[in-house]
This record gives sequence, C-alpha cells and structure tokens, in this order.
Amino acid sequence: DAKTTQPTSMDCAEGRAANLPCNHSTISGNEYVYWYRQIHSQGPQYIIHGLKNNETNEMASLIITEDRKSSTLILPHATLRDTAVYYCIVRPLTSGSRLTFGEGTQLTVNP
Amino acid sequence: DADVTQTPRNRITKTGKRIMLECSQTKGHDRMYWYRQDPGLGLRLIYYSFDVKDINKGEISDGYSVSRQAQAKFSLSLESAIPNQTALYFCATSDFRGQAGNEQFFGPGTRLTVL
Repeated sequence: DAKTTQPTSMDCAEGRAANLPCNHSTISGNEYVYWYRQIHSQGPQYIIHGLKNNETNEMASLIITEDRKSSTLILPHATLRDTAVYYCIVRPLTSGSRLTFGEGTQLTVNP
Repeated sequence: DADVTQTPRNRITKTGKRIMLECSQTKGHDRMYWYRQDPGLGLRLIYYSFDVKDINKGEISDGYSVSRQAQAKFSLSLESAIPNQTALYFCATSDFRGQAGNEQFFGPGTRLTVL
C-alpha cells in the first residue's frame, strides 16, 4: 500500500472549517484514499473515501488533486466533538480489506 | 458502534496466562478483523477472516491465534500472554460489496494489561 504523510497535529476554532492535508505521492492508479478518525481510545470511525473525484457526505468532504498525489479532508463546521486523530489511508481494491494505519493527525478543536 | 461488541472491555492478567478476547457483531458482515494499538501508534492488523473457518494472518500474528466458528463471532487468543502484548485491542467488521467502499466498523476496544 502507498505510504501517506500527514502533519502530526493541527488546531481549529469551533465553527470554522478544518482542512486536514495528506500527501500520497506514490499512490497507484488502483488505490483509493480513505479517511478514518479515532476519538480518544475509542474504535476508529470511517469518514469518507474516494478514487479521483471529489466526494462529500454528511460528515465531510474529500478533495483529491488532479494528479492524485495529495488530498484534503474538510470538516466544514468543526465542533468540539470532532477532536480526534484523523488517519489518511491509501489502499487498493484488492488488498483484502486490510487497513494500514499510520500515526495520523491529532486535530484539536478549540472553543 | 453498538453493532460490534467486545468482551471483556478491560482485563489485567499475568505473564504466561491464556487469555481470550471475544468479538460479536450484529451487522451480518462476512469479514472480521483483529487489530492492536500501542500508545501513540496507529493500528496493526493481527488476523482477519473473510468467512466462517477462513483465517488469514496479518502483520503481527506471532503469539496470537483466532477462531471463527460462526459468522457473528471472532475470538482472539493469547496462548501464553507476555508483557509486550499489553495494548488496546480492536475488533472490526466489513461487508464486501465488490468495491472499495467496504469500510470497516470497529468495536469499542479491549484494554489488556499483562503484568
């Protein structure tokens, strides 16, 4: 699976948009970009995934650059409950559903 | 996610003891997984199963074994626990739909301490 690079930590003001970047410069054509988050000591939670088009769901938006070497997860109106570690994962369809978690980004939403 | 439950939630044991962690799911998913998480690190895959009686090793299977006797249950065993198996253990499930959208649903975790 392609390696990803994320900032160690980020801060965001409550009510503002949180933009979390992820670099995946070695991504292959058959690999998808997934985002999960983990609130302290709880099980990880799926957020969103995409291949090359931008995606949006009720939780977040995913913006993938045209060359697919990087992406940004956007939480449009961050709340205190969004404070968590956010993991960007790249994996192919045929990986057997294995998820390889790196160290992720600790997002802290401040009041 | 309440559809994936783990028991026990916390366990303290001694070196050399046999320990079993249980995972149950009501989501009707075929695939189940066991991960461990160490402080400050991401999750690492121990074992996974795509169906009843199907068992596959993950990246850190040494010292662990699993059993998948029913679709809804996947148990993880430590035959002889050692202190470096102290970690937070997560069970997860997924439903393969032939696309990459087969996201995983995680249980609440089991905190295991081996003294």
